Amino acid sequence: DTGVSQNPRHKITKRGQNVTFRCDPISEHNRLYWYRQTLGQGPEFLTYFQNEAQLEKSRLLSDRFSAERPKGSFSTLEIQRTEQGDSAMYLCASSLIGGGGTEAFFGQGTRLTVV
Amino acid sequence: AQRVTQPEKLLSVFKGAPVELKCNYSYSGSPELFWYVQYSRQRLQLLLRHISRESIKGFTADLNKGETSFHLKKPFAQEEDSAMYYCALPSGGSYIPTFGRGTSLIVHP
Repeated sequence: DTGVSQNPRHKITKRGQNVTFRCDPISEHNRLYWYRQTLGQGPEFLTYFQNEAQLEKSRLLSDRFSAERPKGSFSTLEIQRTEQGDSAMYLCASSLIGGGGTEAFFGQGTRLTVV
Repeated sequence: AQRVTQPEKLLSVFKGAPVELKCNYSYSGSPELFWYVQYSRQRLQLLLRHISRESIKGFTADLNKGETSFHLKKPFAQEEDSAMYYCALPSGGSYIPTFGRGTSLIVHP
């Protein structure tokens, strides 16, 4: 499968614990996005990388959230001191900007439940 | 600020009926609009984009700049069309996809 891959698919954690999610984008894609989706809402933008540079962060991304994309390949999203309000589906997407289109390809998401 | 509005959370129709899922946008400039679809237990995927002006799975969408709309239409709905549909707009100079809240389409047999 050469699509966007996210791990783990599900994560249950206790409030106050740290969690880390991984995203492997489509290999030739230069852009990687993180989104959060809660029930009844569309995907909400969190942050994106162009190659290894993190170029924009949403107001939704509190100080407890950090994302990295070392070497412009896979990316990780870490949430420190999780809160119940962090429970959501976290989506990763990638795209090839400059390749003639801006279509985003999505992974299957990581569902986080904070108890 | 760029914004996408999908006024209907749920659209319920019978098989063979026409379908129109509404999308309105606010954008300064020439927008590039998309419809994404998410079938049950599958990932979000592109259905169609306005610049290609093609019909996918019988769906079409026309960009109406005067009404700032990009409604998704299909003349005869099928049960397999049941899914969540999201209208999206790449926002700003960075072209970050911005999504509406989605419309759940249920097609009854």
